[in-house]
Amino acid sequence: QQPVQSPQAVILREGEDAVINCSSSKALYSVHWYRQKHGEAPVFLMILLKGGEQKGHDKISASFNEKKQQSSLYLTASQLSYSGTYFCGTEEKTSYDKVIFGPGTSLSVIP
Amino acid sequence: NAGVTQTPKFRILKIGQSMTLQCTQDMNHNYMYWYRQDPGMGLKLIYYSVGAGITDKGEVPNGYNVSRSTTEDFPLRLELAAPSQTSVYFCASSYVPGQGALRAKNIQYFGAGTRLSVL
Repeated sequence: QQPVQSPQAVILREGEDAVINCSSSKALYSVHWYRQKHGEAPVFLMILLKGGEQKGHDKISASFNEKKQQSSLYLTASQLSYSGTYFCGTEEKTSYDKVIFGPGTSLSVIP
Repeated sequence: NAGVTQTPKFRILKIGQSMTLQCTQDMNHNYMYWYRQDPGMGLKLIYYSVGAGITDKGEVPNGYNVSRSTTEDFPLRLELAAPSQTSVYFCASSYVPGQGALRAKNIQYFGAGTRLSVL
């Protein structure tokens, strides 16, 4: 079951914050976050198991509410280098190993 | 360290032709995946493998076949290519030892992709 992401797209000015949400109708084993720049392969940002929060590189962090099957990616004080498409991927508890990605959120940071 | 290598980088096929997309990794990863990404869209899982000799279907397996005879290689076969298979194909691998509470995190490393056009 493909997870749902919101928003579809967001435009930020440098220094602004953004939140990208990911949700599933299935019980989740893990939530993954990847960033893809135009014409390149996706690159791993972080993975969350069970509930809680995690800090990643730069000022990017994420949370996972296991009970609600929801995860959020937080981008703080955005930089031009944050631009790209962000994908969440999920492993369901009934079929982990199979990583299903959401449709992506396009993030553009402008000066 | 080469990581995940995909060949070819680009290919144009005629309708009905067949081809094999190659994927090899030199990180001794046990898990390997094939995804397709249509223009402006997300990643769709085609097939995946948790070890040599083991493969399983993903979201969109129709029109494709895979095999995993070695840990390093995970080729994707397209039979009777159709315009709907025009896409960018990404291979990924991860190292996931252990099971249950001892299972490691499934961090995927992607290859650079193969851009395929079927005309």
